[in-house]
Amino acid sequence: EAAVTQSPRNKVAVTGGKVTLSCNQTNNHNNMYWYRQDTGHGLRLIHYSYGAGSTEKGDIPDGYKASRPSQENFSLILELATPSQTSVYFCASGRTGGASAETLYFGSGTRLTVL
Amino acid sequence: LAKTTQPPSMEAYEGQEVNVSCSHTNIATSEYIYWYRQVPHQGPQFIIQGYKDYVVNEVASLFISADRKLSTLSLPWVSLRDAAVYYCIVTDMGGRALIFGTGTTVSVSP
Repeated sequence: EAAVTQSPRNKVAVTGGKVTLSCNQTNNHNNMYWYRQDTGHGLRLIHYSYGAGSTEKGDIPDGYKASRPSQENFSLILELATPSQTSVYFCASGRTGGASAETLYFGSGTRLTVL
Repeated sequence: LAKTTQPPSMEAYEGQEVNVSCSHTNIATSEYIYWYRQVPHQGPQFIIQGYKDYVVNEVASLFISADRKLSTLSLPWVSLRDAAVYYCIVTDMGGRALIFGTGTTVSVSP
């Protein structure tokens, strides 16, 4: 079973502060993703990456940066956190190729509260 | 990417079979149908995928209509652990990230 680990599990930040959410996967998957989940919105894609050194914007990238320093690690960075970024953030990994689209493996989420 | 429509919620009792429908009237020939589920405080988990006809695995079965515009996820003998949000996703192998809607919340009572 693919393993995706997120840290921290919970985070409280102040408005204007910098927040870094970390994600690690040990399955050598090429692709990694950051989603946020808010009540009534399902999961929305923030940033994703096809491999080390690459980052791509998802559907709601404003206010977020991403970093993929290695195959295993993918970080989401909030340079100036705002209360509207209070949410649950999920990281996922997956591998392209094969006869169909990839299967994603998700972490357990990080609950971020910005005061 | 094809848009999907699911019922917002369903209720069932333990031991019943639950069938969750998903409409994807604009599905393209290159697109597959995926189902994920999410229990509270965890990320979504892959259940099953299919292209046409009928697919079954150890967790669920998936029936796809002949015109591929409707799919039904079937969960046999549900237990309390099957209470979750079930997402139907239609996408192709173009490498685009999966788009999750609001899904179907399945409640299970003893």
